[in-house]
This record gives sequence, C-alpha cells and structure tokens, in this order.
Amino acid sequence: NAGVMQNPRHLVRRRGQEARLRCSPVKGHSHVYWYRQLPEEGLKFMVYLQKENIIDESGMPKERFSAEFPKEGPSILRIQQVVRGDSAAYFCASSVDSNQPQHFGDGTRLSIL
Amino acid sequence: GEDVEQSLFLSVREGDSSVINCTYTDSSSTYLYWYKQEPGAGLQLLTYIFSNMDMKQDQRLTVLLNKKDKHLSLRIADTQTGDSAIYFCAETLGGGATNKLIFGTGTLLAVQP
Repeated sequence: NAGVMQNPRHLVRRRGQEARLRCSPVKGHSHVYWYRQLPEEGLKFMVYLQKENIIDESGMPKERFSAEFPKEGPSILRIQQVVRGDSAAYFCASSVDSNQPQHFGDGTRLSIL
Repeated sequence: GEDVEQSLFLSVREGDSSVINCTYTDSSSTYLYWYKQEPGAGLQLLTYIFSNMDMKQDQRLTVLLNKKDKHLSLRIADTQTGDSAIYFCAETLGGGATNKLIFGTGTLLAVQP
C-alpha cells in the first residue's frame, strides 16, 4: 500500500508567484493534516481537513494561504503571492479517523527566491 | 499553553542505550507519539502510547509515560548508527473535533561508532 504521497518534493518560486502543494493520503484515509517546518524548528500545525470540509484551520496564516480536500483528487495547499518567509518544508499527514495515528509524507521543500 | 519541550541534542556510543525525554502540557491528551526524521525525509511514526498506559515496549523501543509529571521518554536499546536522526515527541490536544499534533522542537541523536 502506498503511503502519503506529496508532490512536488522540491518547489522553487519567485516572490509574488503562487505555490501549489499536493497531497494524496493513504488509500482509505479521509482525514488530512498540513504542517509546516521552518528551518531549525519543529513542525507547526496548519490545517485539518476531511473530505470537502475544513475542520480546524487555527494554524493557517490569515492571508495568502488556503487549503482544500475535494471529493475527488488530492488535497491542495495553496500559497498566493509567496514571500521569502514562506520558505519551509510543508508536510502532509493522513489518518483513517480522528482517533488514529497520523502518517506523514516526505514533504515538499519550498524555496522562495 | 501548547508547549512540548525536549532537549536539543544527545550523543551516545554505538551499542549503548539512548533515552530521549519530553515534557508536555495537555493533561487531556489521548495519545502521545514519537516520530523519527532523517535528513531530508519526512516523519516516520515510531511508536505511540495511550494516555492510560504507563509503559509500552516494541522491540528495541521502550516508551515510559508519567502522567503526574507530564513526562514522556523514549529508550532505544543497543543504539545503532542508523538510529542517528531527529526524534520528535508529539501530543494531541484534548477535546473538540480537532486531532492536531503539537510537536516538540526535536532531539538530535548522534550515534558515535
């Protein structure tokens, strides 16, 4: 069984561009979480989604960031008008339900020039 | 507050035991987790413990939980060079519908041959 798949693994953007990060959860998992790891720091929660619904977005910056998990297809984390401070590793995790452990993908490393 | 604390660095010799410590804040956490992160990789779920347990053993890994002191530890027996990585403890916040993980800052384990 495939684990959590994230793509791209590495993404380079110039300031002001848009970044789209994709996450396909483990087959059968309907709960998806996004975390951000800034350089030399631990992971910080961003958003928790179930199919078509945002359950908790308390960790999302108020502007420029959005997330979705459509009925069909992967979850998308979208960052508009990127700035240098958005450079980080973005990790997606999934679980079969809210009481089960989260399994992580290998992350997308976003670099802003 | 949401604070999970870990020591930053631990160095051991190959074959010795490693003990990585963690203190957490939310006494209502249902699960506590240990994840391993190798350079440039995602997080690998090592083990987790239910809050109503004091100890869990899984091959070379032993997790001890002291709920009174909100202290969690991970012991790795017969540490190998392949165990060199960053180890994160994490708790889930209790209550509500969210299942977000609160991570510690990570402990870098360096295993000397």
